[in-house]
Amino acid sequence: DTAVSQTPKYLVTQMGNDKSIKCEQNLGHDTMYWYKQDSKKFLKIMFSYNNKELIINETVPNRFSPKSPDKAHLNLHINSLELGDSAVYFCASRLGGGSTDTQYFGPGTRLTVL
Amino acid sequence: AQSVTQLGSHVSVSEGALVLLRCNYSSSVPPYLFWYVQYPNQGLQLLLKYTSAATLVKGINGFEAEFKKSETSFHLTKPSAHMSDAAEYFCAVSGSSNTGKLIFGQGTTLQVKP
Repeated sequence: DTAVSQTPKYLVTQMGNDKSIKCEQNLGHDTMYWYKQDSKKFLKIMFSYNNKELIINETVPNRFSPKSPDKAHLNLHINSLELGDSAVYFCASRLGGGSTDTQYFGPGTRLTVL
Repeated sequence: AQSVTQLGSHVSVSEGALVLLRCNYSSSVPPYLFWYVQYPNQGLQLLLKYTSAATLVKGINGFEAEFKKSETSFHLTKPSAHMSDAAEYFCAVSGSSNTGKLIFGQGTTLQVKP
């Protein structure tokens, strides 16, 4: 069983379109994240939800909107896609804090905006 | 605020040689530190983590890292490189036990030559 899954794996679309990426975790974790990896492989946190509550909202364009229907799912919707949105988007879920603090990453969604 | 600096964006070693990947951190609170590995076209996999217990941390695949507070470092080592170790390696710091927000370094590409 895949612990953290993302769909789709690849997404190619035109500028101006609206698209969504979905993430699901079957680990029973309360906290989930979206990270963006740019073309230079730099990883940056975008959002985080804890049990359906938004707890991290970094400085990203408001064209990006996360939604968490339940604690096992975290989706990312992007409006009016731009060339600069091309990147790999990773979802992660987190097991607790303290010595057990670990984030488990999904396989990524490679978004290409033409 | 937290930050991570990985010295050397590319490291090349021969198979069987010592692997040393450098990571220095800055944190205003006691940090949790992580090393992740990313194989081509895959997600991130946790190698090891420091969460304020033992300063010498052993991880998977023969890797280990030592937390040195006086040097603000968390360098990753492996005594003998294998061809399969070729990948991208990321050091990350988390200063928030509540949100678990990870701040990543810029990554180091490890090349292993036969």
